[in-house]
Amino acid sequence: DGGITQSPKYLFRKEGQNVTLSCEQNLNHDAMYWYRQDPGQGLRLIYYSQIVNDFQKGDIAEGYSVSREKKESFPLTVTSAQKNPTAFYLCASNEANSNQPQHFGDGTRLSIL
Amino acid sequence: QKEVEQNSGPLSVPEGAIASLNCTYSDRGSQSFFWYRQYSGKSPELIMFIYSNGDKEDGRFTAQLNKASQYVSLLIRDSQPSDSATYLCAPGGTGRRALTFGSGTRLQVQP
Repeated sequence: DGGITQSPKYLFRKEGQNVTLSCEQNLNHDAMYWYRQDPGQGLRLIYYSQIVNDFQKGDIAEGYSVSREKKESFPLTVTSAQKNPTAFYLCASNEANSNQPQHFGDGTRLSIL
Repeated sequence: QKEVEQNSGPLSVPEGAIASLNCTYSDRGSQSFFWYRQYSGKSPELIMFIYSNGDKEDGRFTAQLNKASQYVSLLIRDSQPSDSATYLCAPGGTGRRALTFGSGTRLQVQP
């Protein structure tokens, strides 16, 4: 079955630690996205990538980094510079055309220890 | 003005009634409109999309688009308790490469 796989489902971060969230898709989509969702809030765009080896900052990129070395994979690193990382992180993908809907993975819930 | 505005709710309707969810957007260049349903603690799920002015029906769901008024709505007929969720509106096809999501309307269907 085609889809988007995010791992882990739950993640805990210690003070000063970087953590990496995984996102893999087998939909052959060119574009991939990372969103952050805080309780009771909408989705805010962190980073997106339209093509391999290229990515752009979204609205709240500070404290995060990404890479896009393979079409299937778009990992997100939450760095120690992100002082309030507790949130629900969602990865999405679509064909590289904003007229097409985005499809989401099941999300990763990140908390501070 | 926010790019996408939705009433946060909660919108409460009795089982079997019609639920009407509304969304206004600011970018006149928007070409496509997506409605997502998000259950508590889960990821958003695409339930409807519409590209042209007018109505589009799919089962119990009808999306209505009025580009002149920059307004898109979602009607849910014969509402069921399982429809209780947050509904996110997302205009696409704008200058941005990514969708911009509204903050969502929480729907509660009372049995």
